[in-house]
Amino acid sequence: DVKVTQSSRYLVKRTGEKVFLECVQDMDHENMFWYRQDPGLGLRLIYFSYDVKMKEKGDIPEGYSVSREKKERFSLILESASTNQTSMYLCASSSLSDRDTGELFFGEGSRLTVL
Amino acid sequence: SQQGEEDPQALSIQEGENATMNCSYKTSINNLQWYRQNSGRGLVHLILIRSNEREKHSGRLRVTLDTSKKSSSLLITASRAADTASYFCATDISGGYNKLIFGAGTRLAVHP
Repeated sequence: DVKVTQSSRYLVKRTGEKVFLECVQDMDHENMFWYRQDPGLGLRLIYFSYDVKMKEKGDIPEGYSVSREKKERFSLILESASTNQTSMYLCASSSLSDRDTGELFFGEGSRLTVL
Repeated sequence: SQQGEEDPQALSIQEGENATMNCSYKTSINNLQWYRQNSGRGLVHLILIRSNEREKHSGRLRVTLDTSKKSSSLLITASRAADTASYFCATDISGGYNKLIFGAGTRLAVHP
Protein backbone atom coordinates (compact mmCIF):
# COMPACT_ATOMS: atom_id res chain seq x y z
CA ASP A 1 0.00 0.00 0.00
CA VAL A 2 1.13 3.51 -0.81
CA LYS A 3 2.59 5.34 2.13
CA VAL A 4 3.91 8.77 2.97
CA THR A 5 5.22 8.96 6.51
CA GLN A 6 5.86 12.13 8.44
CA SER A 7 8.16 11.64 11.37
CA SER A 8 6.25 13.60 14.00
CA ARG A 9 2.50 14.18 14.36
CA TYR A 10 2.89 16.85 17.03
CA LEU A 11 5.83 19.08 17.87
CA VAL A 12 6.24 21.97 20.32
CA LYS A 13 9.27 24.19 19.83
CA ARG A 14 10.51 27.50 21.16
CA THR A 15 11.08 30.65 19.14
CA GLY A 16 14.52 30.63 17.54
CA GLU A 17 14.92 26.85 17.57
CA LYS A 18 15.93 24.97 14.44
CA VAL A 19 13.20 22.54 13.44
CA PHE A 20 13.41 19.54 11.15
CA LEU A 21 10.30 17.94 9.67
CA GLU A 22 10.99 14.66 7.96
CA CYS A 23 8.97 12.94 5.25
CA VAL A 24 9.56 9.53 3.71
CA GLN A 25 7.67 7.88 0.86
CA ASP A 26 7.90 4.26 -0.16
CA MET A 27 6.50 4.55 -3.68
CA ASP A 28 9.68 5.55 -5.58
CA HIS A 29 8.00 8.85 -6.51
CA GLU A 30 10.01 11.55 -8.23
CA ASN A 31 7.98 14.51 -6.96
CA MET A 32 7.73 15.56 -3.35
CA PHE A 33 6.01 18.58 -1.82
CA TRP A 34 5.69 20.48 1.44
CA TYR A 35 2.51 22.41 2.16
CA ARG A 36 1.35 24.28 5.21
CA GLN A 37 -2.31 24.40 6.13
CA ASP A 38 -3.94 27.20 8.10
CA PRO A 39 -7.64 27.73 8.83
CA GLY A 40 -9.36 29.74 6.12
CA LEU A 41 -6.28 29.69 3.89
CA GLY A 42 -6.29 26.11 2.69
CA LEU A 43 -2.99 24.54 1.68
CA ARG A 44 -0.11 26.72 0.55
CA LEU A 45 2.93 25.30 -1.21
CA ILE A 46 6.24 25.94 0.53
CA TYR A 47 8.75 23.95 -1.56
CA PHE A 48 8.73 21.07 -3.98
CA SER A 49 11.26 18.76 -5.55
CA TYR A 50 11.26 16.90 -8.87
CA ASP A 51 14.32 14.82 -8.21
CA VAL A 52 17.13 14.13 -5.79
CA LYS A 53 19.00 17.33 -4.91
CA MET A 54 16.51 19.38 -6.90
CA LYS A 55 14.24 21.90 -5.22
CA GLU A 56 11.92 24.66 -6.31
CA LYS A 57 10.31 27.43 -4.29
CA GLY A 58 6.58 27.38 -3.87
CA ASP A 59 4.35 30.28 -2.93
CA ILE A 60 5.61 30.85 0.64
CA PRO A 61 9.28 29.74 0.93
CA GLU A 62 10.40 32.53 3.26
CA GLY A 63 11.72 31.20 6.55
CA TYR A 64 12.00 27.63 5.24
CA SER A 65 14.55 25.49 3.48
CA VAL A 66 14.45 21.89 2.24
CA SER A 67 16.76 18.99 1.64
CA ARG A 68 16.40 16.01 -0.69
CA GLU A 69 19.53 13.87 -0.49
CA LYS A 70 17.69 10.62 -1.23
CA LYS A 71 14.74 9.99 -3.51
CA GLU A 72 12.50 8.74 -0.74
CA ARG A 73 13.16 11.51 1.79
CA PHE A 74 12.24 15.20 1.72
CA SER A 75 13.01 17.31 4.76
CA LEU A 76 11.61 20.70 5.66
CA ILE A 77 13.83 22.91 7.81
CA LEU A 78 12.85 25.95 9.83
CA GLU A 79 16.20 27.64 10.47
CA SER A 80 14.86 29.82 13.30
CA ALA A 81 11.29 29.02 14.24
CA SER A 82 8.89 31.88 14.79
CA THR A 83 5.39 31.95 16.25
CA ASN A 84 3.86 32.67 12.82
CA GLN A 85 5.15 29.30 11.66
CA THR A 86 2.75 27.55 14.02
CA SER A 87 0.73 25.46 11.59
CA MET A 88 -0.09 22.04 10.19
CA TYR A 89 2.57 20.87 7.75
CA LEU A 90 1.66 18.34 5.08
CA CYS A 91 4.06 16.36 2.94
CA ALA A 92 2.97 14.81 -0.35
CA SER A 93 4.47 12.85 -3.20
CA SER A 94 3.55 11.94 -6.76
CA SER A 95 4.94 10.07 -9.71
CA LEU A 96 5.91 11.63 -13.01
CA SER A 97 4.63 8.52 -14.71
CA ASP A 98 1.21 9.26 -13.21
CA ARG A 99 0.85 12.58 -14.94
CA ASP A 100 -2.48 11.45 -16.28
CA THR A 101 -3.83 10.75 -12.82
CA GLY A 102 -1.98 13.62 -11.20
CA GLU A 103 -2.71 12.23 -7.78
CA LEU A 104 -0.81 13.50 -4.78
CA PHE A 105 -0.37 11.11 -1.87
CA PHE A 106 -0.32 12.88 1.48
CA GLY A 107 1.13 12.08 4.86
CA GLU A 108 -0.91 12.45 8.02
CA GLY A 109 0.54 15.87 8.78
CA SER A 110 2.79 17.38 11.45
CA ARG A 111 1.21 19.92 13.75
CA LEU A 112 3.89 22.36 14.87
CA THR A 113 3.41 24.81 17.72
CA VAL A 114 6.07 27.48 18.23
CA LEU A 115 5.99 29.14 21.64
CA SER B 1 -2.26 33.98 -4.17
CA GLN B 2 -4.86 31.23 -4.11
CA GLN B 3 -5.95 29.77 -7.41
CA GLY B 4 -9.07 27.96 -6.29
CA GLU B 5 -11.85 29.17 -4.08
CA GLU B 6 -14.56 26.87 -2.80
CA ASP B 7 -18.13 27.82 -2.11
CA PRO B 8 -19.76 27.45 0.34
CA GLN B 9 -17.20 27.56 3.14
CA ALA B 10 -19.42 25.29 5.22
CA LEU B 11 -22.37 23.04 4.41
CA SER B 12 -24.66 21.17 6.81
CA ILE B 13 -27.12 18.56 5.51
CA GLN B 14 -29.02 15.46 6.58
CA GLU B 15 -28.10 11.93 5.63
CA GLY B 16 -29.55 10.96 2.28
CA GLU B 17 -29.46 14.49 0.88
CA ASN B 18 -27.13 15.56 -1.92
CA ALA B 19 -24.21 17.88 -1.25
CA THR B 20 -22.90 20.28 -3.88
CA MET B 21 -19.65 22.18 -3.55
CA ASN B 22 -18.32 24.67 -6.05
CA CYS B 23 -14.83 25.76 -6.97
CA SER B 24 -13.68 28.75 -9.00
CA TYR B 25 -10.18 29.35 -10.29
CA LYS B 26 -8.31 32.12 -12.04
CA THR B 27 -5.91 30.82 -14.68
CA SER B 28 -5.87 28.12 -17.35
CA ILE B 29 -5.41 24.63 -15.99
CA ASN B 30 -4.21 21.18 -17.09
CA ASN B 31 -6.58 19.42 -14.75
CA LEU B 32 -8.63 19.99 -11.62
CA GLN B 33 -8.74 17.57 -8.72
CA TRP B 34 -10.87 17.14 -5.63
CA TYR B 35 -9.51 15.93 -2.30
CA ARG B 36 -11.08 15.04 0.99
CA GLN B 37 -9.64 15.58 4.47
CA ASN B 38 -10.96 14.06 7.66
CA SER B 39 -10.37 16.19 10.73
CA GLY B 40 -6.70 16.34 11.68
CA ARG B 41 -5.60 13.94 8.94
CA GLY B 42 -3.92 14.12 5.56
CA LEU B 43 -5.73 14.66 2.27
CA VAL B 44 -7.04 11.83 0.13
CA HIS B 45 -7.50 12.11 -3.62
CA LEU B 46 -11.08 11.70 -4.83
CA ILE B 47 -11.24 12.45 -8.53
CA LEU B 48 -9.45 14.25 -11.36
CA ILE B 49 -11.04 15.95 -14.34
CA ARG B 50 -8.96 17.09 -17.28
CA SER B 51 -9.34 20.46 -18.96
CA ASN B 52 -10.92 18.85 -22.05
CA GLU B 53 -13.53 16.95 -20.02
CA ARG B 54 -16.87 18.33 -18.90
CA GLU B 55 -18.16 15.71 -16.50
CA LYS B 56 -16.86 12.73 -14.62
CA HIS B 57 -18.37 10.17 -12.25
CA SER B 58 -16.92 7.96 -9.56
CA GLY B 59 -19.36 6.05 -7.38
CA ARG B 60 -21.52 8.65 -5.59
CA LEU B 61 -19.32 11.49 -6.83
CA ARG B 62 -20.04 13.63 -9.86
CA VAL B 63 -17.65 16.35 -10.95
CA THR B 64 -18.30 18.95 -13.63
CA LEU B 65 -15.89 21.40 -15.19
CA ASP B 66 -16.71 24.58 -17.10
CA THR B 67 -13.47 26.04 -18.43
CA SER B 68 -15.26 29.04 -19.95
CA LYS B 69 -16.43 30.04 -16.47
CA LYS B 70 -13.32 28.69 -14.76
CA SER B 71 -15.43 26.72 -12.34
CA SER B 72 -16.04 23.18 -11.15
CA SER B 73 -18.58 21.49 -8.94
CA LEU B 74 -18.48 18.36 -6.82
CA LEU B 75 -21.76 16.58 -6.14
CA ILE B 76 -22.01 13.88 -3.52
CA THR B 77 -25.27 11.99 -3.87
CA ALA B 78 -27.14 10.22 -1.07
CA SER B 79 -24.72 11.53 1.55
CA ARG B 80 -23.77 9.54 4.64
CA ALA B 81 -22.51 10.61 8.05
CA ALA B 82 -19.13 9.17 7.02
CA ASP B 83 -18.91 11.82 4.27
CA THR B 84 -18.40 14.46 6.98
CA ALA B 85 -15.04 16.03 6.11
CA SER B 86 -13.45 19.02 4.40
CA TYR B 87 -13.32 18.98 0.62
CA PHE B 88 -10.70 20.82 -1.42
CA CYS B 89 -10.37 21.55 -5.08
CA ALA B 90 -6.87 21.78 -6.52
CA THR B 91 -5.72 22.96 -9.90
CA ASP B 92 -2.67 21.80 -11.80
CA ILE B 93 -1.08 24.54 -13.87
CA SER B 94 2.39 23.05 -13.90
CA GLY B 95 2.35 21.18 -17.18
CA GLY B 96 2.44 17.71 -15.70
CA TYR B 97 4.56 18.04 -12.56
CA ASN B 98 1.53 17.72 -10.31
CA LYS B 99 2.23 21.05 -8.66
CA LEU B 100 -1.22 21.70 -7.25
CA ILE B 101 -2.72 24.94 -6.00
CA PHE B 102 -5.42 24.34 -3.39
CA GLY B 103 -8.43 26.32 -2.35
CA ALA B 104 -9.52 26.99 1.22
CA GLY B 105 -11.98 24.10 1.25
CA THR B 106 -15.62 23.41 2.10
CA ARG B 107 -16.44 21.86 5.48
CA LEU B 108 -19.26 19.36 5.03
CA ALA B 109 -21.27 18.08 8.00
CA VAL B 110 -23.72 15.24 7.35
CA HIS B 111 -26.10 14.63 10.23
CA PRO B 112 -27.66 11.19 10.88
